[in-house]
Amino acid sequence: DADVTQTPRNRITKTGKRIMLECSQTKGHDRMYWYRQDPGLGLRLIYYSFDVKDINKGEISDGYSVSRQAQAKFSLSLESAIPNQTALYFCATSDGPEWQPQHFGDGTRLSIL
Amino acid sequence: GQNIDQPTEMTATEGAIVQINCTYQTSGFNGLFWYQQHAGEAPTFLSYNVLDGLEEKGRFSSFLSRSKGYSYLLLKELQMKDSASYLCAEYSGAGSYQLTFGKGTKLSVIP
Repeated sequence: DADVTQTPRNRITKTGKRIMLECSQTKGHDRMYWYRQDPGLGLRLIYYSFDVKDINKGEISDGYSVSRQAQAKFSLSLESAIPNQTALYFCATSDGPEWQPQHFGDGTRLSIL
Repeated sequence: GQNIDQPTEMTATEGAIVQINCTYQTSGFNGLFWYQQHAGEAPTFLSYNVLDGLEEKGRFSSFLSRSKGYSYLLLKELQMKDSASYLCAEYSGAGSYQLTFGKGTKLSVIP
């Protein structure tokens, strides 16, 4: 079983819809992250959380929101999806301290028509 | 964010050695990661450097020069399965604790 599980793995939806991507982990890590990956742009950080009561904006948080429901769960929402949010989304976790590597889920491929 | 530069694509021959370079801005630097990502898959951790010098792990080695803002990943005895993208990522502290990724270098290993 995967340590970092993302659902759904693929999603096609229409402009204006509300979308939620979910991430759960069994690694016991406190820190969780959401990234998006676009061809030619690399991985960019959307939001991150260091514990249940901590939420921080990343480089490209506009149009997104997150919820850290428990240590093991971190969800990403697109309140009103637009086509330029079509991308591959990754959830990641890490243990403190900061030099510990991040462990990525298998990704969610999101297409917004 | 920090500017991280690495070549977009490289091609190398099976059995050969390839060096993938990465340059970054030195201000706020706290560490440099390398990840491997096969097409359509999740990135996986390869190495972390925080001090100057070479870190060797089997066929893969990573080098860091903090004063020059420069790192490289060295892959020896290339295998076809090494065809992947290699992502350089800088960890900058200064309260942000974020990893900033380069755009990745797509390595193609040919017979």
